Amino acid sequence: ETGVTQSPTHLIKTRGQQVTLRCSSQSGHNTVSWYQQALGQGPQFIFQYYREEENGRGNFPPRFSGLQFPNYSSELNVNALELDDSALYLCASSFVDYTEAFFGQGTRLTVV
Amino acid sequence: RKEVEQDPGPFNVPEGATVAFNCTYSNSASQSFFWYRQDCRKEPKLLMSVYSSGNEDGRFTAQLNRASQYISLLIRDSKLSDSATYLCVVNMEGSYIPTFGRGTSLIVHP
Repeated sequence: ETGVTQSPTHLIKTRGQQVTLRCSSQSGHNTVSWYQQALGQGPQFIFQYYREEENGRGNFPPRFSGLQFPNYSSELNVNALELDDSALYLCASSFVDYTEAFFGQGTRLTVV
Repeated sequence: RKEVEQDPGPFNVPEGATVAFNCTYSNSASQSFFWYRQDCRKEPKLLMSVYSSGNEDGRFTAQLNRASQYISLLIRDSKLSDSATYLCVVNMEGSYIPTFGRGTSLIVHP
């Protein structure tokens, strides 16, 4: 087990709603990265948080936002959900130099 | 052209076979490279880092070819349990933001 936990594991939301996904990082890691993985695709980088600040962002609209807390756990918030947001959302815990990242089991979001 | 490209497969091989995957990257400033394994409906897990000199871990060998901008993963003596998707990951110099390929699916059959 990696020690990275995500909640919830599964979620069904209606288009237009908002969702918050949570991730606890592995002990000692100060960086959390979030990814969206559609079926049959590789993980797409959403953003990364290091010491409670956004440290980089992928090509996702502003309705995807996040937070990192002093204990390095993190949240991903998605507003105004769209059908295409249906995917597996993964968080990865690492040191900032990304020498090795450990993933949580993911949250499978379905938007209907 | 995508930053990181992989043949999605599937590669269908018998037990005991040797199989190799390549992953090409477009940015010559890419600095660090990894192979991850992802089982169906599970999270990715680090398989191995890829060093300039190449590296080996048991039945798995990873190599980097900077001139041609690709990395490779060789699996010898394939086991049924090797069936998974293998994801190539590339970090660019000065960036700690990794780019994932879409993965290559491997199916090892009896």
